[in-house]
Amino acid sequence: GAVVSQHPSWVICKSGTSVKIECRSLDFQATTMFWYRQFPKQSLMLMATSNEGSKATYEQGVEKDKFLINHASLTLSTLTVTSAHPEDSSFYICSARDLRYNEQFFGPGTRLTVL
Amino acid sequence: GENVEQHPSTLSVQEGDSAVIKCTYSDSASNYFPWYKQELGKRPQLIIDIRSNVGEKKDQRIAVTLNKTAKHFSLHITETQPEDSAVYFCAASIRSNYQLIWGAGTKLIIKP
Repeated sequence: GAVVSQHPSWVICKSGTSVKIECRSLDFQATTMFWYRQFPKQSLMLMATSNEGSKATYEQGVEKDKFLINHASLTLSTLTVTSAHPEDSSFYICSARDLRYNEQFFGPGTRLTVL
Repeated sequence: GENVEQHPSTLSVQEGDSAVIKCTYSDSASNYFPWYKQELGKRPQLIIDIRSNVGEKKDQRIAVTLNKTAKHFSLHITETQPEDSAVYFCAASIRSNYQLIWGAGTKLIIKP
């Protein structure tokens, strides 16, 4: 299967700072990437769909000005959590669609803790 | 929009017995139904999937069935082993946009 990496794997930051998370497809080109958030003992919640070269499509209730998504190349999408607060602490997971396998492959996730 | 319900939330079975997890979906346009296994702190791993033109699919100890009329699909794990303990998620998708709508998850506990 395809490989998706995510960086960093974990981050601790102070309230009010911004954090950038990178999602890379290592061995394929991904025209579409997805960003999820997962709180403890809960399911994955789709935050936004990121399309290369265009603006991301955000799900209802997700603030686009707070969660900035950039998909500047076919192998990289970034999620920036701006002015992070403790309630933003969560497990953030990206996935990328690989046309060769016609399915989504997930990154290892980033655990964000905001103090 | 699509809504996926998953039951039970927790399932405890004796090692060697079978486990069944059920999901229902609301959007009749959904045509792709994957199942994922997630261990604590790790990424979801696709274990099996089924497309709407198929009623059943099997891969060794794992099988998935789909009833399009009733809009439900199920995961069956036979001869369960301790390493099957994890959280399992079902999902549904309309292939045109590839967005996955997730069930709430089932924590599967295999008792030795």
